Amino acid sequence: AQKITQTQPGMFVQEKEAVTLDCTYDTSDPSYGLFWYKQPSSGEMIFLIYQGSYDQQNATEGRYSLNFQKARKSANLVISASQLGDSAMYFCAMRDTNTGNQFYFGTGTSLTVIP
Amino acid sequence: NAGVTQTPKFQVLKTGQSMTLQCAQDMNHNSMYWYRQDPGMGLRLIYYSASEGTTDKGEVPNGYNVSRLNKREFSLRLESAAPSQTSVYFCASSEFGGLATGLAKNIQYFGAGTRLSVL
Repeated sequence: AQKITQTQPGMFVQEKEAVTLDCTYDTSDPSYGLFWYKQPSSGEMIFLIYQGSYDQQNATEGRYSLNFQKARKSANLVISASQLGDSAMYFCAMRDTNTGNQFYFGTGTSLTVIP
Repeated sequence: NAGVTQTPKFQVLKTGQSMTLQCAQDMNHNSMYWYRQDPGMGLRLIYYSASEGTTDKGEVPNGYNVSRLNKREFSLRLESAAPSQTSVYFCASSEFGGLATGLAKNIQYFGAGTRLSVL
């Protein structure tokens, strides 16, 4: 069974607008972490933001925020004030204590920012 | 600030050839990982090493071997390359290893990747 599901293969957003990238996850472990990574066309994987299952508040890192809805098992990434440099693939990932070191990645969402 | 360094960046092999992908990290991390990335499938874990001296299989270990040479270095070996192993390979490292409640933040930092083609 898929542990991480990203249902949007591709998204477009106008420059300076906000965009939400969806991610749902599946785990029975009460202790888990959710991660978002950015992969630009150059290929490297860049860590963006982290949300822990026990965190009381939604995580924020600059223009990135995570809309964490625990009951719905969703961890959507919100990018505010999109920039051309935000065009990239975005991957959601999860680690729980049942899987120890193993991260499970979604299939990714390709974001294109339109000038 | 090198972080995680992978070599080579590109490689073309013929079916049946062998090769070793090298990975080194300078962040004093305990755990290291090898992933492969295929179109439409995200990243899948091949092998990982929770700490120096230990290695474990991930989701797709068949056709690969690994060696944790020391705390800094973790290599991935293809003994007899097959076209199905054409992929982009990523090495990653993280500070912590093992099963432990409360360590879920364990951020993984990635190398730049190795693009491998097997003809």
